[in-house]
Amino acid sequence: SQKIEQNSEALNIQEGKTATLTCNYTNYSPAYLQWYRQDPGRGPVFLLLIRENEKEKRKERLKVTFDTTLKQSLFHITASQPADSATYLCALIMDSNYQLIWGAGTKLIIKP
Amino acid sequence: DADVTQTPRNRITKTGKRIMLECSQTKGHDRMYWYRQDPGLGLRLIYYSFDVKDINKGEISDGYSVSRQAQAKFSLSLESAIPNQTALYFCATSDSGLAHKGELFFGEGSRLTVL
Repeated sequence: SQKIEQNSEALNIQEGKTATLTCNYTNYSPAYLQWYRQDPGRGPVFLLLIRENEKEKRKERLKVTFDTTLKQSLFHITASQPADSATYLCALIMDSNYQLIWGAGTKLIIKP
Repeated sequence: DADVTQTPRNRITKTGKRIMLECSQTKGHDRMYWYRQDPGLGLRLIYYSFDVKDINKGEISDGYSVSRQAQAKFSLSLESAIPNQTALYFCATSDSGLAHKGELFFGEGSRLTVL
């Protein structure tokens, strides 16, 4: 069956450390992968897009990797801050129909 | 003002009632979407529209209908609400041509409770 999985348990990280979130998928061949941030009671906000032929993408303190062999994307926040606390969603994009398929998200808590 | 505005933000209704959720956008995007979010589940696409004359069913369209009144307006209707339609609903927009390769812009959400 087709699945996209993000860790359902909250991730607790000490301020200043690197937070790493995982997005795993099975039986999909996405052309692109996006990461979004969602704060409580708010809509998701786009952070980064990475293409299947890109290994890594960076934006300020954010880094995303995409391994199509492992069927996994890692999302890193370096020098984490309490303001980074939120739920982070990954979404796969199929080239065939351009539909987004969403993970349920991982809640990240950065402790001061 | 928000670029993507949803009304109402919260609504409590009873089983069998007709409900309309409205979405308007000032981004000038052609493409608009309605999603549903439930705890522990990913966002699920209900309907999407690539322009005013284009309406497409998403993954979970049963029990829902939509209307694209103008480029900037896309409404979602529940003709006869049932309790398992209790959820957080999001409207989103994107640029045409970029489709899902580009970013989606979301509204603030409409929380619907069906008793």
